[in-house]
Amino acid sequence: EAGVTQFPSHSVIEKGQTVTLRCDPISGHDNLYWYRRVMGKEIKFLLHFVKESKQDESGMPNNRFLAERTGGTYSTLKVQPAELEDSGVYFCASSHPPAGIYGYTFGSGTRLTVV
Amino acid sequence: AQTVTQSQPEMSVQEAETVTLSCTYDTSENNYYLFWYKQPPSRQMILVIRQEAYKQQNATENRFSVNFQKAAKSFSLKISDSQLGDTAMYFCAFYGGSQGNLIFGKGTKLSVKP
Repeated sequence: EAGVTQFPSHSVIEKGQTVTLRCDPISGHDNLYWYRRVMGKEIKFLLHFVKESKQDESGMPNNRFLAERTGGTYSTLKVQPAELEDSGVYFCASSHPPAGIYGYTFGSGTRLTVV
Repeated sequence: AQTVTQSQPEMSVQEAETVTLSCTYDTSENNYYLFWYKQPPSRQMILVIRQEAYKQQNATENRFSVNFQKAAKSFSLKISDSQLGDTAMYFCAFYGGSQGNLIFGKGTKLSVKP
């Protein structure tokens, strides 16, 4: 079974530019999560999809962040315009119902650097 | 709201020795799940071990075991016979209650020295 795939693995962009991160979850996993880790801090929840619907987006920092999950398959996370404080590692994870009681399967993350 | 605290930012251990990583959490829930994840330098987050709160028996996976103290809200990870490949960030995580997603601690950076 293929794991959770994220790309790009690294992205360096200038402040004010737009970046789109992509996540392909494990096939059949209805639950898809986005998390972010800023250097030295905890891994913070951003949002949770169940199929194509946003179940919880309480962790999204502001309206510069837009997540979509077309057709309940892959998901994208767009940051527009990027700011310096958006730098960090963005993780995607997926799980099969029931949600997280067996933990999530994570991707390798996208390291975003805003300069 | 639930919180997870890892009080050891960094630890080191000699190869073949045993090390214990600490984790405490705060919750008013009675039924929940606890996890330890490992993130090696390659960055892939890997599930190490899982504990169900309603089970009194401590979970064990090969060289990895936990000491789950429900009353104290403590969930430490013991790594026996440490190997160089155990070098990684270790994150403690909580799942349960009204929060429908995993909550992580800040992590402990473990270095295994030859």
